[in-house]
Amino acid sequence: EPEVTQTPSHQVTQMGQEVILRCVPISNHLYFYWYRQILGQKVEFLVSFYNNEISEKSEIFDDQFSVERPDGSNFTLKIRSTKLEDSAMYFCASTKRGNQPQHFGDGTRLSIL
Amino acid sequence: GQQLNQSPQSMFIQEGEDVSMNCTSSSIFNTWLWYKQDPGEGPVLLIALYKAGELTSNGRLTAQFGITRKDSFLNISASIPSDVGIYFCAGQLPGAGSYQLTFGKGTKLSVIP
Repeated sequence: EPEVTQTPSHQVTQMGQEVILRCVPISNHLYFYWYRQILGQKVEFLVSFYNNEISEKSEIFDDQFSVERPDGSNFTLKIRSTKLEDSAMYFCASTKRGNQPQHFGDGTRLSIL
Repeated sequence: GQQLNQSPQSMFIQEGEDVSMNCTSSSIFNTWLWYKQDPGEGPVLLIALYKAGELTSNGRLTAQFGITRKDSFLNISASIPSDVGIYFCAGQLPGAGSYQLTFGKGTKLSVIP
């Protein structure tokens, strides 16, 4: 069965550095999402992306965050200047149509030192 | 943001017992989803519900979309050790083009062999 794949599985970065998290959504999917999960807490929505633009974003997704689909397969989340509180699991998800169930990758664990 | 109240927070059960967990909200949801998360992995979709009153099964799992559209439950029958994990409910709010998921805080299930 097709899967959402995310790299790296674990990223350790110094506070203030930029980090890019990568996702390869399922190949015929058109809607893409990023979520984060702080350790021991619930999964929180960050942003959704469709037709090469952001369609929704949460208050967490401030000016330090950006998303991009640089080619036909990758979907990236960039955090420009990381803070300690950005430490979390970041999950990518995708769907073919917006109202279909979202399929999640296994996440990237981001650790900010 | 919108809140989903998921209960119980955790449960310890004997292998073979049935399990029930639920989510409630003060808001109406268009879609209810149930996911399972194993340590170090992303949420895996178990059941998706689209209509008020809908009752859907997936093997030993059964979930219902509440008539008021403000709640959902998940039942697991005859639990086995591999049912261990964290179960999350998630909902999509009504709204044109709004597909973000709001997650509950999870129910951590432990199964005693």
